[in-house]
Amino acid sequence: DVKVTQSSRYLVKRTGEKVFLECVQDMDHENMFWYRQDPGLGLRLIYFSYDVKMKEKGDIPEGYSVSREKKERFSLILESASTNQTSMYLCASSPSPAAGSYEQYFGPGTRLTVT
Amino acid sequence: ELKVEQNPLFLSMQEGKNYTIYCNYSTTSDRLYWYRQDPGKSLESLFVLLSNGAVKQEGRLMASLDTKARLSTLHITAAVHDLSATYFCAVDGRYNFNKFYFGSGTKLNVKP
Repeated sequence: DVKVTQSSRYLVKRTGEKVFLECVQDMDHENMFWYRQDPGLGLRLIYFSYDVKMKEKGDIPEGYSVSREKKERFSLILESASTNQTSMYLCASSPSPAAGSYEQYFGPGTRLTVT
Repeated sequence: ELKVEQNPLFLSMQEGKNYTIYCNYSTTSDRLYWYRQDPGKSLESLFVLLSNGAVKQEGRLMASLDTKARLSTLHITAAVHDLSATYFCAVDGRYNFNKFYFGSGTKLNVKP
């Protein structure tokens, strides 16, 4: 089974803090993604990475950065947390299309509250 | 930009009834995905539909894809309470497999 794990299920941070969200996958997937999920807005892509050290902006990258130093790990960084970044953050991974599958596998999510 | 619309957004039904959730998308794509999300939990993959006419079934759920109509359906047969969850469909960008476009989700409540 594909396993995608996230470092925290719940996190509470103060405004202005630097926040790191970690995601690890154990299936040697090339692609990794960070989404945020908000009621009424669905899932929105923040960033994704298709290889180590490679990244692309998604739909809402402002206020976020990412790091992928190893294939299995993808970090989301909130440089200076703000209350409007309170949300559920979901990490996902998928294999290369050459593997015959495009399906994204999701981690358990991190519910972040910024006060 | 590709848009994905689901309807209904909310569905309350009695156990034992049948119902269909619809997923329309705005531009050509050959691949569609259905996910289930329980409250406070992450997304669990249900079905991957990879071509026109694809049909997949798992238990009381059956999904189909009509790429010409840009429509997928998720049919629920004889609903049970355990199916209560939010169901999302997603389409990937035809030439950018990595970019998924999600519908807003259908929140299903099956009353015992």
